[in-house]
Amino acid sequence: TQLLEQSPQFLSIQEGENLTVYCNSSSVFSSLQWYRQEPGEGPVLLVTVVTGGEVKKLKRLTFQFGDARKDSSLHITAAQPGDTGLYLCAGETTSGTYKYIFGTGTRLKVLA
Amino acid sequence: SAVISQKPSRDICQRGTSLTIQCQVDSQVTMMFWYRQQPGQSLTLIATANQGSEATYESGFVIDKFPISRPNLTFSTLTVSNMSPEDSSIYLCSVEMGDYGYTFGSGTRLTVV
Repeated sequence: TQLLEQSPQFLSIQEGENLTVYCNSSSVFSSLQWYRQEPGEGPVLLVTVVTGGEVKKLKRLTFQFGDARKDSSLHITAAQPGDTGLYLCAGETTSGTYKYIFGTGTRLKVLA
Repeated sequence: SAVISQKPSRDICQRGTSLTIQCQVDSQVTMMFWYRQQPGQSLTLIATANQGSEATYESGFVIDKFPISRPNLTFSTLTVSNMSPEDSSIYLCSVEMGDYGYTFGSGTRLTVV
């Protein structure tokens, strides 16, 4: 069974601080996605990474896929209150069924 | 990406009853996915629904408890049957849109009393 562990589970920081969220597994994934979810809404896709070692930037967010495609990280620079939410990584299984396994989640709160 | 309308958005139900959740997509999609999310937790896949065939259920989920219909390429329903308080959760439908990843409905918050 492929599992994705995220750390930290909870994070409360001040506006302007930097943070990194980690997504780790012992399994290889075909691709990996990051989502942000706000209360009362479904998760919204932030990025998809496909190639081992790939780095993608989305404004203040930097995403990296591990060389072995087993782990990923999300780095936020100068966090803002609007970044508050539940961050989820999701790995596409290698079984060819277009099925994604979601990580355990990181709940971020950015204080003004 | 697709737009998904999911309803109801929330409901409070008596134990032993059933609730049917509906998802309507604004475009035709091959696969639809149903997830369960415990409050503040991550998502667990319940089943994958393809049009014209029986849904494929994940370990720990069975058709008698969570029957799914997929009558066409834009619509699906999930029924939570014979509910108990342990079924209280958020239920989400989603579709896979290639490079756009998964698009999710806004979820159904179910409370069983």
